[in-house]
Amino acid sequence: GAVVSQHPSWVICKSGTSVKIECRSLDFQATTMFWYRQFPKQSLMLMATSNEGSKATYEQGVEKDKFLINHASLTLSTLTVTSAHPEDSSFYICSVPDPGGQPQHFGDGTRLSIL
Amino acid sequence: DAKTTQPNSMESNEEEPVHLPCNHSTISGTDYIHWYRQLPSQGPEYVIHGLTSNVNNRMASLAIAEDRKSSTLILHRATLRDAAVYYCILKDWAGSYQLTFGKGTKLSVIP
Repeated sequence: GAVVSQHPSWVICKSGTSVKIECRSLDFQATTMFWYRQFPKQSLMLMATSNEGSKATYEQGVEKDKFLINHASLTLSTLTVTSAHPEDSSFYICSVPDPGGQPQHFGDGTRLSIL
Repeated sequence: DAKTTQPNSMESNEEEPVHLPCNHSTISGTDYIHWYRQLPSQGPEYVIHGLTSNVNNRMASLAIAEDRKSSTLILHRATLRDAAVYYCILKDWAGSYQLTFGKGTKLSVIP
């Protein structure tokens, strides 16, 4: 069965809206989770590392004030895309490392479309 | 983490074996070779990983060259469900947990 639950799987909203995406670890606690973004016909790019109990670590070029990450508990991380614009339309995917570090368990992704 | 090189795309007939190559000439002694695949409109899923010896699991086999500068993912009988992008990723056992994805190989399976 699924190890990681990501919700919603698909969302369409108007420009300027904020959108929250949830990533839940179902089988084990995770102090670290990862958020990736994937544009059409491209590979996954790491956006940020979500850390339980401390601030997220963002990759270079990712705006931390635009992509708010909250690691609310040992089984839940949320990514909020604030004031979303059409260029933020993408496939957002979270992952949870196995307790031993590898492998990574990925969510099914969230298709975000900003009109 | 060291870089990998994979063909952009490959085709296979259904029920035939598939050999997906990966070159990693700059691999270090502590790098594990990981394979993930991504089915259309889904997140990636783990396939297999290894360090030096060949590995088998229910999904696939991983053949690692003796000098570790290349490896091959083997799907023994391709099915339509195996059509996906396959990523070969090197991961230092002691490094951080995140993965760095390259472009991968898009596998098409012909009925």
